[in-house]
Amino acid sequence: QITLKESGPTLVKPTQTLTLTCTFSGFSLSTNEVAVGWIRQSPGKALEWLALIYWDDNKRYRPSLKSRLTITKDTSKNHVVLTMTNMDPVDTATYYCAHTAPGYSYGNLHFDYWGQGTLVTVSS
Amino acid sequence: QSVLTQPPSVSGAPGQRVTISCTGSISNIGANYDVHWYQQLPGTAPTLLIYANNNRPSGVPDRFSGSKSGASASLAVTGLQAEDEATYYCQSYDSRLSGSVFGGGTKLTVL
Repeated sequence: QITLKESGPTLVKPTQTLTLTCTFSGFSLSTNEVAVGWIRQSPGKALEWLALIYWDDNKRYRPSLKSRLTITKDTSKNHVVLTMTNMDPVDTATYYCAHTAPGYSYGNLHFDYWGQGTLVTVSS
Repeated sequence: QSVLTQPPSVSGAPGQRVTISCTGSISNIGANYDVHWYQQLPGTAPTLLIYANNNRPSGVPDRFSGSKSGASASLAVTGLQAEDEATYYCQSYDSRLSGSVFGGGTKLTVL
């Protein structure tokens, strides 16, 4: 059974760096074609894909946020970490991590298991 | 403004059929990238409803179906039930953005 859970601060100040951890079980990020992504959702708004990391450490980022995002993995701990620098109130959102089903190309991937999400508020 | 366009809301009476559209362009759905659908119940995380245009994960009722034609896709829900009341999102890939894109979401109300 695949599960994912996000953890991190619930409140960050403007200009600070946000670090979120996705702890997962039921799969290994060293298995071919497996990937974990981060998606966020501002209150009352739509979903927005942020970043993705593959089993082979290949990384993809949302172009408009690429300069602020870093995604890494620790296969031994079953962790994926997302950092976002220079946080702003507009970054207030629920942040989800999600597993992508293996066997699909980057252009056809989908998220088959999601964490419960963690709400991050950016405010001074 | 989302790259994939969905109607903000749709509604139907119990037992009826509703469809939710997802309109893209030549850089995403029209470029033959797969479309996926998610259901988000109030206060919960999204769950995968339809993948690769018209495939249901195990456990998803066959009342839900997906289709794709040209640069658009649709989600159909037949035999509407109260538990279907949720927000539905489509997702695809956009070659101009080089990443996954989601629609703006459609809130389904069961009257």
